Amino acid sequence: GGIITQTPKFLIGQEGQKLTLKCQQNFNHDTMYWYRQDSGKGLRLIYYSITENDLQKGDLSEGYDASREKKSSFSLTVTSAQKNEMAVFLCASSIGGANTEVFFGKGTRLTVV
Amino acid sequence: GDSVTQTEGPVTVSESESLIINCTYSATSIAYPNLFWYVRYPGEGLQLLLKVITAGQKGSSRGFEATYNKETTSFHLQKASVQESDSAVYYCALAPITGNTGKLIFGLGTTLQVQP
Repeated sequence: GGIITQTPKFLIGQEGQKLTLKCQQNFNHDTMYWYRQDSGKGLRLIYYSITENDLQKGDLSEGYDASREKKSSFSLTVTSAQKNEMAVFLCASSIGGANTEVFFGKGTRLTVV
Repeated sequence: GDSVTQTEGPVTVSESESLIINCTYSATSIAYPNLFWYVRYPGEGLQLLLKVITAGQKGSSRGFEATYNKETTSFHLQKASVQESDSAVYYCALAPITGNTGKLIFGLGTTLQVQP
């Protein structure tokens, strides 16, 4: 089996700061995703990528950048952290699209002070 | 838009009791979506519990079952006899059958607490 590793597990940033979250997968999956989960809300898609160097916007892409420089890694940048962005960010991957099984990492918890 | 609504938690049941977590969906842009139940056990990442891609079919895993009912647009999760190890957060989700849109649409999640 494979694993999705997200770093860091906890990230504390200052308001206005640029912050980067990293994700690695060893499934050799083509598609990778970033979701955000706020307390009391469902998961919302920020960005996804269907292959190396591809980027597709999700519903929540404003305020974020993403980068897929290698098949195995997918990073997410919060361009200017806001206090209302305290949330858990989940990285995921799948062999095909979202209609195939999607595997998730354990998440990065972001706190903005 | 497309959405998923599920039982609001937390749901507390005693070990060996039966369980049902309701899930209904609205798929205005997708005729017949694929339907999923994902689960997050304490300390672990979200993982697929079961999936059904054909209306009228039933999926099952780890003693859980869910039937894809397109008439009532429902995909309720059931288990006849829960165990303490089933304590987790359960998410109902849908995705398009074809195309790589990348989007899974999730419900808010239902926290299940099974008491010994």
